[in-house]
Amino acid sequence: SQKIEQNSEALNIQEGKTATLTCNYTNYSPAYLQWYRQDPGRGPVFLLLIRENEKEKRKERLKVTFDTTLKQSLFHITASQPADSATYLCALYYNQGGKLIFGQGTELSVKP
Amino acid sequence: DAMVIQNPRYQVTQFGKPVTLSCSQTLNHNVMYWYQQKSSQAPKLLFHYYDKDFNNEADTPDNFQSRRPNTSFCFLDIRSPGLGDAAMYLCATSRDRGGTVGSYEQYFGPGTRLTVT
Repeated sequence: SQKIEQNSEALNIQEGKTATLTCNYTNYSPAYLQWYRQDPGRGPVFLLLIRENEKEKRKERLKVTFDTTLKQSLFHITASQPADSATYLCALYYNQGGKLIFGQGTELSVKP
Repeated sequence: DAMVIQNPRYQVTQFGKPVTLSCSQTLNHNVMYWYQQKSSQAPKLLFHYYDKDFNNEADTPDNFQSRRPNTSFCFLDIRSPGLGDAAMYLCATSRDRGGTVGSYEQYFGPGTRLTVT
């Protein structure tokens, strides 16, 4: 079965630095990949989507890359702020099966 | 604002006592999902509705049932809650299921935290 790995250790960075979060997967590449933000006790909020034929996607301070050779997506937050502190989930969509499969998320903490 | 609403936000039930969680949406989306999320774990899909078409995940226990009486509302029924069912239950919607037709993000409600005593 498909396995998604996100760094289970929390990422602690200083305000203003770039945060980079990793999402690795096994077996087949998904049709597309999504990133969500989840605050404690709340539901996930959609951030970005990238398709298998796209290398990079940007939205304001956010950037996502997708490398199907490495079977990896990287999620970057530039000029990070304490308000960016949250858990970030990656989710993979496969046409076969027709559903999103979520990773367990990486907790990001941005210190002032 | 269009949104996904879940009630109640916190629910305490006794071991074996049936409980129903509710979800409503004002987005007019075709697809509604129920996820179970335990602490520091990935959201786990239990089932979803595409319009009135119910799609159960193979590993969802029979203890979990769902109803969608209309486009706006969806319910999660846990017939006999066990201690292992204590979790956050998330309802989500999307315009379609994605795939070759399109790729659609999911909109989540705030969740219902279920405690089983």
